[in-house]
Amino acid sequence: EIVLTQSPGSLSLSPGERAILSCRASQSVSGSFLAWYQQKPGQPPKLLIYYASRRATGIPDRFSGSGAGTDFTLTISRLEPEDFGVYYCQQYGNSPLTFGGGTKVQVK
Amino acid sequence: EVQVLESGGGLAQPGGSLRLSCAASGFTFSNYVISWVRQAPGKGLEWVSSISSRGLRTYFADSVRGRFTISRDNDKNSLYLQMNSLRVEDTARYYCAKDVTNSDYDYGALDVWGQGAMVTVSS
Repeated sequence: EIVLTQSPGSLSLSPGERAILSCRASQSVSGSFLAWYQQKPGQPPKLLIYYASRRATGIPDRFSGSGAGTDFTLTISRLEPEDFGVYYCQQYGNSPLTFGGGTKVQVK
Repeated sequence: EVQVLESGGGLAQPGGSLRLSCAASGFTFSNYVISWVRQAPGKGLEWVSSISSRGLRTYFADSVRGRFTISRDNDKNSLYLQMNSLRVEDTARYYCAKDVTNSDYDYGALDVWGQGAMVTVSS
């Protein structure tokens, strides 16, 4: 099973700042099958990025994904107030599918 | 509108059973892998099970294999999760989710989620 470790556990930034979220895999993620989700309280997760860098439909271009192998990054270039929530990475290249523990983003 | 809607959650005793359903609309259900993902209260996400577009292949997390069964009825645009031998640790909100691509092989990125069905296992 591929274990995904996300860092930092939480971060608090001001609107307009850049957020960089990291996801490290215990072994290489085949095919860059890595996704990122945003979850707000009381809501289901929302797909942001898949194939490590492809934005899902309707996702603003301030969200970008990068990385390959074992190291992946989600960057939010200019934080907006609505970007608060918990962000999860997920690998789907190997069974079982696994999620990281999440990074909580607070917008001041 | 593309959507999925779960139903069937509730309270069960340890060792008991529940069946979750997921009704899909707004897309060609039979073209997509569909998955169940759960989230225990205050915790992170855990993949539970997936089923291929025609139902020929099923996949399970080790934590539920042998106790849970996934199935689908493409004529009814519906997905099911039969949960037997329930344990306290199965307590969670169960989400039904559609794959972003219509491929049976690189499945797992989930772009349409329901609001979830809460399952509580307690004596």
